[in-house]
Amino acid sequence: QSALTQPASVSGSPGQSLTISCTGTSGDVGSWNLVSWYQQHPGKAPKLLIYEVTKRPSGVSNRFSGSKSGNTASLTISGLQAEDEADYYCYSYAGSSALGVFGGGTELTVL
Amino acid sequence: QLQLQESGPGLVKPSETLSLTCKVSGGSISNNNYYWGWIRQPPGKGLEWIGSIYYGGSTYYKPSLKSRVTISVDTSKNHFSLKLTSVTAADTAVYYCARQDNWNYAYWGQGTLVTVSS
Repeated sequence: QSALTQPASVSGSPGQSLTISCTGTSGDVGSWNLVSWYQQHPGKAPKLLIYEVTKRPSGVSNRFSGSKSGNTASLTISGLQAEDEADYYCYSYAGSSALGVFGGGTELTVL
Repeated sequence: QLQLQESGPGLVKPSETLSLTCKVSGGSISNNNYYWGWIRQPPGKGLEWIGSIYYGGSTYYKPSLKSRVTISVDTSKNHFSLKLTSVTAADTAVYYCARQDNWNYAYWGQGTLVTVSS
């Protein structure tokens, strides 16, 4: 099972909005509403930002939102802040043959 | 507050077996709503799901690792374990344990670096 495809890097200025894409296949992202997104700062464990495509855990800023269209899921960050500079990973259930698969990760730089 | 803590050797020789344990505190590993998983991250690279286990013993493994991976659970000690056999340098990574809730991970351990080297 190949990893989900994410852009290697994205950048934006404070206050801007940006979107990170996560492209899979009809066997994973396209078939299941079990996509989650994680934020990881250097040397830290990942933090859950979004689960089941659009749901946000308690305590996560509403500046983070998720969506899905076909085989591509997206994470949108609005009102970009310096503290958002981190790596972001998507993850999807991929059915009984492949189970769980991560995206390759996207490095977000706040200019 | 649920906490997970990985423990085990930080250095393993090539061809030997990597063994790690994840101690769960602040909650019961026997909670029937969750699986318990292992995820790793090679230095400077992305996350890789390894596998997960239910307290009753049911397991899921990444297909490409399945021949080398065993995940087990000890409910009496409230911990679960990972064994990875025949390791190579490619298995050098930070290994995380996490609680799996409907295929997402809200609770993670801090991670432990395991280096494969002679």
